Amino acid sequence: DVKVTQSSRYLVKRTGEKVFLECVQDMDHENMFWYRQDPGLGLRLIYFSYDVKMKEKGDIPEGYSVSREKKERFSLILESASTNQTSMYLCASSSVGQGHEQYFGPGTRLTVT
Amino acid sequence: AQKVTQAQTEISVVEKEDVTLDCVYETRDTTYYLFWYKQPPSGELVFLIRRNSFDEQNEISGRYSWNFQKSTSSFNFTITASQVVDSAVYFCALSEATRAAGNKLTFGGGTRVLVKP
Repeated sequence: DVKVTQSSRYLVKRTGEKVFLECVQDMDHENMFWYRQDPGLGLRLIYFSYDVKMKEKGDIPEGYSVSREKKERFSLILESASTNQTSMYLCASSSVGQGHEQYFGPGTRLTVT
Repeated sequence: AQKVTQAQTEISVVEKEDVTLDCVYETRDTTYYLFWYKQPPSGELVFLIRRNSFDEQNEISGRYSWNFQKSTSSFNFTITASQVVDSAVYFCALSEATRAAGNKLTFGGGTRVLVKP
């Protein structure tokens, strides 16, 4: 079974702090994704990566950056957390090629106070 | 631009009733993929099904069935004889089919299903 893990289930940070969200997958997937989920807005793509050191902006990249130094790990960075970044963050991975399903981690609920 | 619309935000049923979730999509691609995911209260999205744009056959898996109609750009999901464990948020999603897109998914807003005992 594909396993996608995220470093924390719940996280509380203060405004202005630098926040790191870590995601690790164990299926040797090329593609990795970061989404945020907010009530009424569904899931929105922040960034994705389809190779080590490669990154592409998604629909809402502002205020975020990412890092992919190893194939299995994809990190989301909030350089200076703000209250409007309070959300559920979901990481996913998939094989390369057309139409492969994405497998999701359990999510990190981040609260910025 | 791609778009997925799930017009029903919440559906409440009594156990053993059937429930159908609507999904309408928009895309300019001729080749694309459609997905359904389930998000139980625990929060993790669980993959349910994938359908490509060239395969319009309906599919049944246990109590779940899917109706793909390209003519109406719809990919509806039916749960037959619902159970309390079916209570979750269900998402429909659409994937671009180009390599460069990295298999990005566009999600609908989700439909919350509440099954009462």
